[in-house]
Amino acid sequence: GQQVMQIPQYQHVQEGEDFTTYCNSSTTLSNIQWYKQRPGGHPVFLIQLVKSGEVKKQKRLTFQFGEAKKNSSLHITATQTTDVGTYFCAGVDGSGNTGKLIFGQGTTLQVKP
Amino acid sequence: GAVVSQHPSWVICKSGTSVKIECRSLDFQATTMFWYRQFPKQSLMLMATSNEGSKATYEQGVEKDKFLINHASLTLSTLTVTSAHPEDSSFYICSATPAEGLYGSYEQYFGPGTRLTVT
Repeated sequence: GQQVMQIPQYQHVQEGEDFTTYCNSSTTLSNIQWYKQRPGGHPVFLIQLVKSGEVKKQKRLTFQFGEAKKNSSLHITATQTTDVGTYFCAGVDGSGNTGKLIFGQGTTLQVKP
Repeated sequence: GAVVSQHPSWVICKSGTSVKIECRSLDFQATTMFWYRQFPKQSLMLMATSNEGSKATYEQGVEKDKFLINHASLTLSTLTVTSAHPEDSSFYICSATPAEGLYGSYEQYFGPGTRLTVT
């Protein structure tokens, strides 16, 4: 079945350093979404990428969708302690129309002040 | 906007009993709701897709007779864990997709989750 792989699983950075998490799908995606889950909380929708090669920015966060629509990345510039949490990518299968998301394993970010 | 509530937020039950979890979209109509299970420090595992007025679609390996899903209205879906056992202890999260997606399609809004402990 369709799989979405995400690396790294964990990342510890010093506050002010940059952070990147990568997502790869075994199949072409209709779109890809990114979510953030704070410790003890629930996933919160961050953004959706739809177009091949799309790049979107939200303040210090930059999201990219690959040309083949099979990979994506989230880059955080100059991390802050408020960035702590687990970042999940989730792909919507390109062949279906169910809206079903396949989540990556998540990358847990720890930021040392 | 796009708020999803879940009740209860945590529940402890005895082995063999059933537990019902409610998921409500508070300020939008949800054509589709999803139920996930999340183990500590792991990703979300989709259990089933629930569409209003029709039977839920279960993912492979999820027992439909054990995890009963009812989606009676565009704002309410329920998950009943029947004859619960300690291995059913987990964090159950629902999500809802608006009928009119704010971003065009399929973004999901998650409830706060229900932590189930079966003793």
